[in-house]
Amino acid sequence: NAGVTQTPKFQVLKTGQSMTLQCAQDMNHEYMSWYRQDPGMGLRLIHYSVGAGITDQGEVPNGYNVSRSTTEDFPLRLLSAAPSQTSVYFCASSYSIGHNGYTFGSGTRLTVV
Amino acid sequence: SQKIEQNSEALNIQEGKTATLTCNYTNYSPAYLQWYRQDPGRGPVFLLLIRENEKEKRKERLKVTFDTTLKQSLFHITASQPADSATYLCARGDDKIIFGKGTRLHILP
Repeated sequence: NAGVTQTPKFQVLKTGQSMTLQCAQDMNHEYMSWYRQDPGMGLRLIHYSVGAGITDQGEVPNGYNVSRSTTEDFPLRLLSAAPSQTSVYFCASSYSIGHNGYTFGSGTRLTVV
Repeated sequence: SQKIEQNSEALNIQEGKTATLTCNYTNYSPAYLQWYRQDPGRGPVFLLLIRENEKEKRKERLKVTFDTTLKQSLFHITASQPADSATYLCARGDDKIIFGKGTRLHILP
């Protein structure tokens, strides 16, 4: 039982490049979310999913895409990286967010130059 | 807009005392609130969830209250220890979880 696994842990991108942050969980959790964390801004919700095939926008979705083709995986795609997307990204999952909290991954530190 | 706010950015408490952190919400009535702990360089760790029909919930030295009249949740750590030093996050939820900015708690030996 690995929990929530995020890859890569660190990444440097050039402006305009695209990439996918991977998130996988092995706990059969229905709910999954992506957050970014910036100094002074706290955790902000990018996109979330309440089950396979269902995704929705959070507080700061612009510049990011997600898909949820399986229960286990919830990748986050940066379409054209910008310096404003420099941040730490966290993926989280929960069996039932009304009864249990989120289990977070260890994060991906992304720098866009 | 629906807001969730943690009024204190930082809080210093003497070891052994009770630390009390505040979380307020506006323009919204969440079905439940959650509290998390985050250590530097790590992801948040879930601590407690309290529903709107629950006044209080406890877990070891932790206690959370939910006051729907004041639109406020209080998070208490009794007999605080230096190891309790961390950032504590409040979150409101229904189908999605929205976090406050957190309170950095320092327990002074």
